Amino acid sequence: EAGVAQSPRYKIIEKRQSVAFWCNPISGHATLYWYQQILGQGPKLLIQFQNNGVVDDSQLPKDRFSAERLKGVDSTLKIQPAKLEDSAVYLCASSLGSTGPHGGTQYFGPGTRLLVL
Amino acid sequence: KNQVEQSPQSLIILEGKNCTLQCNYTVSPFSNLRWYKQDTGRGPVSLTIMTFSENTKSNGRYTATLDADTKQSSLHITASQLSDSASYICVVSAGHSGGGADGLTFGKGTHLIIQP
Repeated sequence: EAGVAQSPRYKIIEKRQSVAFWCNPISGHATLYWYQQILGQGPKLLIQFQNNGVVDDSQLPKDRFSAERLKGVDSTLKIQPAKLEDSAVYLCASSLGSTGPHGGTQYFGPGTRLLVL
Repeated sequence: KNQVEQSPQSLIILEGKNCTLQCNYTVSPFSNLRWYKQDTGRGPVSLTIMTFSENTKSNGRYTATLDADTKQSSLHITASQLSDSASYICVVSAGHSGGGADGLTFGKGTHLIIQP
């Protein structure tokens, strides 16, 4: 079974530029997550999709971050304009569903490392 | 506010030795607790998951324990190997009815280094 795919793996941009990340979840997984992981910290949830609908974007800085999952499969996360503090690893994860005590195990992609100069 | 605290922040041990990582949480209502292993440059990989009624779960040389009364969990690694060098992240899920957000709270992780 193929895992969660992300691209690009690395990105270096200057502040105030725009950047977009792409995620292809495991086939059949309804739930997709985007996380921001700053060096030395655990992942922080940015947004959670159930199919193509948003179920949690409470920690997404909506003035500069946006995400979409138009057909309920692939997803893109965009930052416009980027700030220095956006330097982090952006992880995408997917799961079959988000309910039940043993359900919802998340499978993570390798992440995109973003450096904002 | 839901919180997950992990200790130690970092740990260095010799290959072959055992070690125990700690996780304390204040998440309510509790649904389940997961331990993830994150190798450098990779995404986290699930090691174990435990619900309220489970107090121990093993995955090879990894054994997780859960004390729901004291809200503590530990991850014990037996006979460590160089490949165990990684960050270990404790994640606690808050209970909810179906269809909503997962309510996951992540710890900052313990960075483990195994020396030959």
